Amino acid sequence: GAVVSQHPSRVICKSGTSVKIECRSLDFQATTMFWYRQFPKKSLMLMATSNEGSKATYEQGVEKDKFLINHASLTLSTLTVTSAHPEDSSFYICSARSSASGTSGNTIYFGEGSWLTVV
Amino acid sequence: ELKVEQNPLFLSMQEGKNYTIYCNYSTTSDRLYWYRQDPGKSLESLFVLLSNGAVKQEGRLMASLDTKARLSTLHITAAVHDLSATYFCAVDEDSSYKLIFGSGTRLLVRP
Repeated sequence: GAVVSQHPSRVICKSGTSVKIECRSLDFQATTMFWYRQFPKKSLMLMATSNEGSKATYEQGVEKDKFLINHASLTLSTLTVTSAHPEDSSFYICSARSSASGTSGNTIYFGEGSWLTVV
Repeated sequence: ELKVEQNPLFLSMQEGKNYTIYCNYSTTSDRLYWYRQDPGKSLESLFVLLSNGAVKQEGRLMASLDTKARLSTLHITAAVHDLSATYFCAVDEDSSYKLIFGSGTRLLVRP
C-alpha cells in the first residue's frame, strides 16, 4: 500500500539552530501534504497545508516565518523549524492523500513522525 | 470552527468486555477517520467512514457514522490486551483532507 516516509525519525538540535524534516510519498504523487505537531499525551494539531508549487497555508497561530514549508515536488515536502527553542520540542507528523480513484483516494497516509528535541 | 470531541478520554477495561468510544463533531462533514496510535509511534489507519449510516468492521473493532447526529462510534468487542493504545477520531474539514482530531481515548485492556 501507499507509504509516507519521514526523515529524520529523531533529531536533537541546539537552541537557535534550524532543523529540516522531510516528508516523502514513496509510491504515489501528493499535490497536497499536511503537517501536524503533537505534544506528549496530547492530540494532533494541524500546523499547515503544504501545496506543491505554491505557498503553504498556515493555521491560525502558527508562525510561518518560524515553520518554513517547501513542497518543491509531487513527492516531497519539507518542514524547517528555524531558530529552534526548547518549546518547539515535539513530535511532528506529516500526512498525504493518494490521488488514486476509488476508496483508496479517500485514505490519508501518515508518516512515521519525527521527534524533535531542542536543547 | 470545527470542533471534535471524544469520550471517554481514558478507558480501562478488562479483557473480554465490550465498550464504545464516542466521537462528536460540530459542523457538517461526510468524512470521518479513526486511527490507532501506539506509544512513541505515528498513526495507523483503522477506518474511513464516508457516508451516513456507514458501518465498517475489522476484527474486534467496529466503527459507525451518523452524519445527522454528527456522531461516530468505535465499538470494541471482547477486548484483548493487544488493543491497548490511544484511539483518535478525525474529521475532514470542508472536504479538503485537512483533519481536525479529537482529543484521543487512551485504552488500557487489563488481563
